[in-house]
Order: sequence, then structure tokens, then C-alpha cells
Amino acid sequence: DAGVTQSPTHLIKTRGQQVTLRCSPKSGHDTVSWYQQALGQGPQFIFQYYEEEERQRGNFPDRFSGHQFPNYSSELNVNALLLGDSALYLCASSLGQSSNQPQHFGDGTRLSIL
Amino acid sequence: AQRVTQPEKLLSVFKGAPVELKCNYSYSGSPELFWYVQYSRQRLQLLLRHISRESIKGFTADLNKGETSFHLKKPFAQEEDSAMYYCALSLNSGYSTLTFGKGTMLLVSP
Repeated sequence: DAGVTQSPTHLIKTRGQQVTLRCSPKSGHDTVSWYQQALGQGPQFIFQYYEEEERQRGNFPDRFSGHQFPNYSSELNVNALLLGDSALYLCASSLGQSSNQPQHFGDGTRLSIL
Repeated sequence: AQRVTQPEKLLSVFKGAPVELKCNYSYSGSPELFWYVQYSRQRLQLLLRHISRESIKGFTADLNKGETSFHLKKPFAQEEDSAMYYCALSLNSGYSTLTFGKGTMLLVSP
């Protein structure tokens, strides 16, 4: 089992563009969460998807949106990119939404905005 | 809103020395606390969680609700413990979303 996989590994965009990041959860997991990790900071929660619906959302603007597919994979979309969106975007999966279920993280997508 | 504070950006010790990575949290309810670790060139992974009350790789952490702390301890540090350590909390509300601290880099020198 490869665990959580994310694509692409790196991405360079310019201000105002739109980007889509992808995540496949660990086998057997049905819940996907997305985090943004700026340089020198801990991961910050963006949102969580379960049963193809956004269930929880952190303090991020509507420019950040997502989707979960029937196979539990997920996408993170960011519109109107800003310089401040440059960060490592982490996907984490778990079995169910329970707070006692450990989250498994992917390697992340490094997004650079020029 | 909940918050996790890790006061040290960097902790440098010698092999065999005791280690304590500090973590304080603010939350009015009863959160669940975790320590995650990221070794060089590896992904973020769970080290331990307070509900398990277990020792992983010689590390332990005790939840002190009075001091709202969840410090990570190891009596004798090893070079392979060098890594970035993140303290995180999850609200005991049925959702597994995590609030992370900024992390502490532990460097263990020979």
C-alpha cells in the first residue's frame, strides 16, 4: 500500500491563475482532509471531505474549494492565486471522521506563486 | 478558538541526554492531543496520542489538563530522533481535524 498519494509534487503558477491539486487516500480510508503548510509553520486545516461532502472547514476564503469522488479521492482547487498561497499543501486521510482516528499524510504538493 | 503553542523552534541535545519537547494548548473543552513527527525526507507521521497512553520509540507524553500541557519526553535521546516534531490537538467533537503547533526541530548530536 503506497499510502496517501498526491500529485503533482511541485507546481509553479502566476498570480491570478487557478490550480487543482489531487489526492488519493490510503487504501480503506474514506475521509480526506487538506492542510496548508507555509514555510516555518505547522500545517493549517483547510477542509475535510466525507461521503463526497465538505464536512468541516477552516479559516480559508471561498477561493479554496474541493471535491471528493465516489472512490474517495479528492481535489483541492484554488482560484485567483495570490503570492501568499505559496505553500506546501498536504492531504491526509483517515477511516471515518472520528477524532480518535489517526490521520495519514501524503508527501504534499509544493505550490509556488510567481 | 483552539491554539497549540510550541515555544521552542529548535532543541539541540547530545546523544544520551534527556529530551523534553514542550507543548501547551488552549481550549475550553477536552481535546485529544497528538504528537506528529517528520524525519528528514519523510512524510509527516503520527508518533503517539494521549488516549493510547503508550510509549513509542521511547517517547512518552502525559496530558496535564491543569497546566493544559502535553510535553513529549524521552529519557535518553538517540541520533535517529533528530526530526521535526509537531504537537496537535483534535476537538473531541467527533471530527478528526487537527490544529497544529509551529513545530520544534530536535537535533541530537553524537
